[in-house]
Amino acid sequence: QKEVEQNSGPLSVPEGAIASLNCTYSDRVSQSFFWYRQYSGKSPELIMSIYSNGDKEDGRFTAQLNKASQYVSLLIRDSQPSDSATYLCAVKGETSYDKVIFGPGTSLSVIP
Amino acid sequence: DTEVTQTPKHLVMGMTNKKSLKCEQHMGHRAMYWYKQKAKKPPELMFVYSYEKLSINESVPSRFSPECPNSSLLNLHLHALQPEDSALYLCASSHDRGHQPQHFGDGTRLSIL
Repeated sequence: QKEVEQNSGPLSVPEGAIASLNCTYSDRVSQSFFWYRQYSGKSPELIMSIYSNGDKEDGRFTAQLNKASQYVSLLIRDSQPSDSATYLCAVKGETSYDKVIFGPGTSLSVIP
Repeated sequence: DTEVTQTPKHLVMGMTNKKSLKCEQHMGHRAMYWYKQKAKKPPELMFVYSYEKLSINESVPSRFSPECPNSSLLNLHLHALQPEDSALYLCASSHDRGHQPQHFGDGTRLSIL
């Protein structure tokens, strides 16, 4: 059974701080990794995709991937109250026939 | 607003009713998905269509019936639902079933009386 794990939180950080969200996955040959943000009562919104080891930056967001450790993270710099949401890590296996597996999500609260 | 459009946004129905959820995308995507999401849980895959053909059915009860009339449209027909089927139903699409990300619609909030 392929699994994706995240700390459920809630993770609380003060406004302006760096929020660090972590995700581990069990399928060693996973190839595609996604971070979604979901506000309460809304649908998931894609924030980042990452496919290669290392860092990928987009504005205040940085995704980090370490396939050897089966670990992917999302850093949010200069956290804002509007970043308060649930962050879903999603992982897709090696082939196009593999399903995307979602983690349980981490609830982030940014305190003004 | 997302590029995947779902209607209706809210639906209340009785257990004997028949209704349909609709999803439309004009991004030229060839893979479309139905997910069910309960509160404080991640999305749970129900069906996958690839090039208008059903490729995954996650053992969903037959009271849920998907349909893909063309490459832009995806329907989910509902009949004789149970109260536990109350949830947020999400449609998503992706370029194909490869490694591009899925993009979600705003969802339909379904309540079964």
